[in-house]
Amino acid sequence: GQQLNQSPQSMFIQEGEDVSMNCTSSSIFNTWLWYKQDPGEGPVLLIALYKAGELTSNGRLTAQFGITRKDSFLNISASIPSDVGIYFCAGFSNTGNQFYFGTGTSLTVIP
Amino acid sequence: NAGVMQNPRHLVRRRGQEARLRCSPMKGHSHVYWYRQLPEEGLKFMVYLQKENIIDESGMPKERFSAEFPKEGPSILRIQQVVRGDSAAYFCASSEQGGNEQFFGPGTRLTVL
Repeated sequence: GQQLNQSPQSMFIQEGEDVSMNCTSSSIFNTWLWYKQDPGEGPVLLIALYKAGELTSNGRLTAQFGITRKDSFLNISASIPSDVGIYFCAGFSNTGNQFYFGTGTSLTVIP
Repeated sequence: NAGVMQNPRHLVRRRGQEARLRCSPMKGHSHVYWYRQLPEEGLKFMVYLQKENIIDESGMPKERFSAEFPKEGPSILRIQQVVRGDSAAYFCASSEQGGNEQFFGPGTRLTVL
């Protein structure tokens, strides 16, 4: 199946720093979703994007749907310890039936 | 509005037994997706169902695995004659429409002894 390239694979940052991660695909997507997963839990939806160029915020989180429709990024501003977790992107194409998930970015915030 | 429910949260089976995983979607959601996740890995799509229909099962192993989403009741992912390699976390997600945001359940962690 299709793979989304998500980077970086892991990040270690100081509390208060900003974070940026991105996903790229070889195919065009119509929807991008960003999730956070804590250990032992299911992924929690953070932001949903439906239009190319769309920039959407959710508190300290901001995500953008790339103009080419082949990429998306997620920014976290002023990180705090509870931001620790694994962040996944997911893309959906109207020509298919499924969301494809990225390989995840593991975020560690050092107090 | 209750979220996606999955049960059991943990399931232990011996090799050769059957595993039955249940998923109740969010109220008003008629689209259900099942995913499998191995430790330290991402989510792998298995199957997409709407009420009484399998829409896409391209991610499901051809043997031993089956899924259903009946008109009444939860969606069921069934694994027959489990093997050690089936040990994983299985997540269900639901959405109002295909291609819309999916909301995940807490997962079922299957351990095969």
